[in-house]
Amino acid sequence: DQQVKQNSPSLSVQEGRISILNCDYTNSMFDYFLWYKKYPAEGPTFLISISSIKDKNEDGRFTVFLNKSAKHLSLHIVPSQPGDSAVYFCAASLRDDKIIFGKGTRLHILP
Amino acid sequence: DVKVTQSSRYLVKRTGEKVFLECVQDMDHENMFWYRQDPGLGLRLIYFSYDVKMKEKGDIPEGYSVSREKKERFSLILESASTNQTSMYLCASNTRRALAGVISPGELFFGEGSRLTVL
Repeated sequence: DQQVKQNSPSLSVQEGRISILNCDYTNSMFDYFLWYKKYPAEGPTFLISISSIKDKNEDGRFTVFLNKSAKHLSLHIVPSQPGDSAVYFCAASLRDDKIIFGKGTRLHILP
Repeated sequence: DVKVTQSSRYLVKRTGEKVFLECVQDMDHENMFWYRQDPGLGLRLIYFSYDVKMKEKGDIPEGYSVSREKKERFSLILESASTNQTSMYLCASNTRRALAGVISPGELFFGEGSRLTVL
């Protein structure tokens, strides 16, 4: 059973607008949540993370929001740029360091 | 520059062959992971190792085994390859937070991936 769910396989956003990628989880034992970005033929790279005791973390154009009661998090990218076109993976970490990923969302930034 | 190196970028094997996928990291990380990436299924954890000779099953360990004889090396073994194991395999490593004395998980560093085709 999937513990980390990304229900949107793809998303298209106009350049300069806000991109919002969503993620839901089922395991209340996760203590950190992370977002990774992946370009074709490359390994994923770390983008931003948030502790389960926080509700927001911001890093430049990227902000992650966590709603613990809803078991939901979202990644906001403002403004969206062409180089943001990639697959974004939501991931969650357990205290034993195991990291579980979602299925990913392919983001297309339109000119 | 930190590095996770996977021995082969592309492999083609026959059904029933034994396959070794090697991964080496140069960051002295305690944790190492093997994931497979498939379209529509994302990254699924096969095995995880938090120390030499230690291993834990991930979500899809069936048909795979692993070996961690040295800290820097984590091998994924397909004892008898099958066509449904055709996939992109990704190795990753990070710091074990309990040993590092930090509460947040260390950044996970990935290799470039090994694309395995089983005919």
